[in-house]
Amino acid sequence: SQQGEEDPQALSIQEGENATMNCSYKTSINNLQWYRQNSGRGLVHLILIRSNEREKHSGRLRVTLDTSKKSSSLLITASRAADTASYFCATDLNSGYSTLTFGKGTMLLVSP
Amino acid sequence: EAQVTQNPRYLITVTGKKLTVTCSQNMNHEYMSWYRQDPGLGLRQIYYSMNVEVTDKGDVPEGYKVSRKEKRNFPLILESPSPNQTSLYFCASSSLLMNTEAFFGQGTRLTVV
Repeated sequence: SQQGEEDPQALSIQEGENATMNCSYKTSINNLQWYRQNSGRGLVHLILIRSNEREKHSGRLRVTLDTSKKSSSLLITASRAADTASYFCATDLNSGYSTLTFGKGTMLLVSP
Repeated sequence: EAQVTQNPRYLITVTGKKLTVTCSQNMNHEYMSWYRQDPGLGLRQIYYSMNVEVTDKGDVPEGYKVSRKEKRNFPLILESPSPNQTSLYFCASSSLLMNTEAFFGQGTRLTVV
């Protein structure tokens, strides 16, 4: 069953702007991960944030996690046309081992 | 190079003709899974395996079979494909350790006519 729900479903911005995507989930998690998918291709792992972390950075990516609100956000700063892709959050449930449940994704279009 | 390899990448077949999509990983991962991706529905898990000879149903297992005879391979079998199985399929693998990422294959686009 799908645990994470991304918002918005689609986002269109200009190069140089920041893009923010949100993910809400329903049950307790061990960690939350963000993945990127270029059109029709495999998903690529971007960043993992553990349940005891509140913020994490990787290059132009910033992820926050609020376990009290059961939500996470992915911020891409100074976006580029090459950032155009779908972005998925995946929750790793607190089940004793690592398995992932994916949301439906946010489609990001960055125009030059 | 760490990778998950799926074959074929594209497949067009007719209703009822059995087919197998192969998946192989070179990372000695215990956990492997199959997903299908459909517009507006995101990724839905079909089957997963936590180790050799251990498989279990995901969210949408109907019409699919899997096997895990070796740790590196996890084929997806459609015994009698139907048009509603037209989809983009992904194999993924990961360690069973906590807080690890999943690695995905490049996908198999299946069309059943």
